[in-house]
Amino acid sequence: SSELTQDPAVSVALGQTVRITCQGDSLRSYYASWYQQKPGQAPVLVIYGKNNRPSGIPDRFSGSSSGNTASLTITGAQAEDEADYYCNSRDSSGNHHVVFGGGTKLTVL
Amino acid sequence: EVQLVESGGGLVQPGGSLRLSCAASGFTVSSNYMSWVRQAPGKGLEWVSVIYSGGSTYYADSVKGRFTISRDNSKNTLYLQMNSLRAEDTAVYYCAREEVVAAKMGWFDPWGQGTLVTVSS
Repeated sequence: SSELTQDPAVSVALGQTVRITCQGDSLRSYYASWYQQKPGQAPVLVIYGKNNRPSGIPDRFSGSSSGNTASLTITGAQAEDEADYYCNSRDSSGNHHVVFGGGTKLTVL
Repeated sequence: EVQLVESGGGLVQPGGSLRLSCAASGFTVSSNYMSWVRQAPGKGLEWVSVIYSGGSTYYADSVKGRFTISRDNSKNTLYLQMNSLRAEDTAVYYCAREEVVAAKMGWFDPWGQGTLVTVSS
């Protein structure tokens, strides 16, 4: 089965730009989607497809993809962006499974 | 408003059973792919199971043979029957609708608020 790999932790200065990456073979076949999770809360979708934001998600969030790597970029990070971020995609091995990355803890300094 | 509300979590002994429910509003469960995703304390998200709109079901290897996903169309509700529970099944269980487009992208939205399952003696 497929796996998605994320850096465990990333930090960014307030107002600066940060990129969170997700690597895995399934990303050669499927776009990643990205979720923000704050402590004690359910995950919230922030990016899906090629680079789509659900209603209500600020435009400082954007997504991109190249080869086996997907990226979530936050341009002008805000204090409220401090959270865990998870990527996910369908498993490309044909088993109808879904895979999540291990998550990245974003700290806004 | 599109919403999912889970219930049924609690404390259960190892080897016991529990059934989780996920009531949907604002959309039809049977017309969508619906999944269960869990999160052990302090850990990341782990996909558990999916039921397709056509009724096909799939499971993570860690729960296959022990958990059963189902739905009641008349109640617009998703279920997860969990048998032979183990300590490692302790987690917050979320239900989520999965949108899949062109067999190339899928995403989970919305998510329920989660229900905590604790397996302990």
